[in-house]
Amino acid sequence: DAGITQSPRYKITETGRQVTLMCHQTWSHSYMFWYRQDLGHGLRLIYYSAAADITDKGEVPDGYVVSRSKTENFPLTLESATRSQTSVYFCASRNGTFLRQETQYFGPGTRLLVL
Amino acid sequence: GNSVTQMEGPVTLSEEAFLTINCTYTATGYPSLFWYVQYPGEGLQLLLKATKADDKGSNKGFEATYRKETTSFHLEKGSVQVSDSAVYFCALRTGGGNKLTFGTGTQLKVEL
Repeated sequence: DAGITQSPRYKITETGRQVTLMCHQTWSHSYMFWYRQDLGHGLRLIYYSAAADITDKGEVPDGYVVSRSKTENFPLTLESATRSQTSVYFCASRNGTFLRQETQYFGPGTRLLVL
Repeated sequence: GNSVTQMEGPVTLSEEAFLTINCTYTATGYPSLFWYVQYPGEGLQLLLKATKADDKGSNKGFEATYRKETTSFHLEKGSVQVSDSAVYFCALRTGGGNKLTFGTGTQLKVEL
């Protein structure tokens, strides 16, 4: 199906383990984003990417790593998970043609629990 | 820096009541403004947007007007339904920037 998908939808892991959250979009959008959603904070940007092989830090990048070898994929890795990284993670994408007009499209989210 | 302030929730209304969710912002330049909606267990969906002062965004009976003089973008609906129960996020993006700045979200509960 067309759109933006995330996997897994739910993940439980332990402190210190490496975890990778996947994001895939079928629109060939140039921009992709990772957010975390926490009560009282709304959504905060972790990392974003303007194109394949181009990534940049957002508001809360510490403890996370991203890569973008293909336009359609934007995985987020927690190198050594901590309890403070328990959150709901959303991936988003948008086209870059007309920046002022373009809408971000969000995936369904991944609920991550770090024990 | 940019910031978005939304009214605290949850907001509980009876069906067919009038809805207002307040949103004010602080931004450099001339931001584009957005309302996103998140239904239970789902990702965010764009509800409406406005890209310049005095623009009115509208969708599914919801409206919001970009008020530059009061730096506000309040969301309104004349008659809410149970199916409108969700979390609503106000957001902004400045110029050609890549980052959306979100408010903390306002939960709306509509009861019969």
